[in-house]
Amino acid sequence: KNEVEQSPQNLTAQEGEFITINCSYSVGISALHWLQQHPGGGIVSLFMLSSGKKKHGRLIATINIQEKHSSLHITASHPRDSAVYICAVGTSGSRLTFGEGTQLTVNP
Amino acid sequence: NAGVMQNPRHLVRRRGQEARLRCSPMKGHSHVYWYRQLPEEGLKFMVYLQKENIIDESGMPKERFSAEFPKEGPSILRIQQVVRGDSAAYFCASSLTRDSEQYFGPGTRLTVT
Repeated sequence: KNEVEQSPQNLTAQEGEFITINCSYSVGISALHWLQQHPGGGIVSLFMLSSGKKKHGRLIATINIQEKHSSLHITASHPRDSAVYICAVGTSGSRLTFGEGTQLTVNP
Repeated sequence: NAGVMQNPRHLVRRRGQEARLRCSPMKGHSHVYWYRQLPEEGLKFMVYLQKENIIDESGMPKERFSAEFPKEGPSILRIQQVVRGDSAAYFCASSLTRDSEQYFGPGTRLTVT
């Protein structure tokens, strides 16, 4: 079993839909990160959180430390949101352990 | 303020050659991390360095791979005698402090022919 599990692996949505991507982890963490990887391969850090909830534009990230679970929500999804979304946890010594990623496709 | 820079962006090497990948962290960042993404696989940690010191190299293959982050200049990931299985995207990230947010570079795509 991977230390970081994401679901779903693939997600297709229609423009405007509300999207949720889930992440569960099995280790103690210092922080959880949500990353976005575009088709060109570049990686952008979306959120880093260790408790509660953060919001940036149409993106919302939540974390429940007791349940070892985090969710990334996208409101009013748009085709430009199509990308791979990666959950990563910071464990000992700041190294990141990554989930396998969720491939999101938003159709117009 | 420039972000994390990596060069080259694409590197082609024949089997047995050496590959040198460079990473310049964001200004003011002294913590550097290297990650590898094999084709169709997720990202994996390789090594964590702080100026002139290797802090954690537990993700680095024991042979042929080495990393450094000198007092002056970029961090270097060096792969000696490359093999086809080394073909991957290598990402560098930097952070201001040990536990702060990591910012990723654009990656170096290494192809071994």
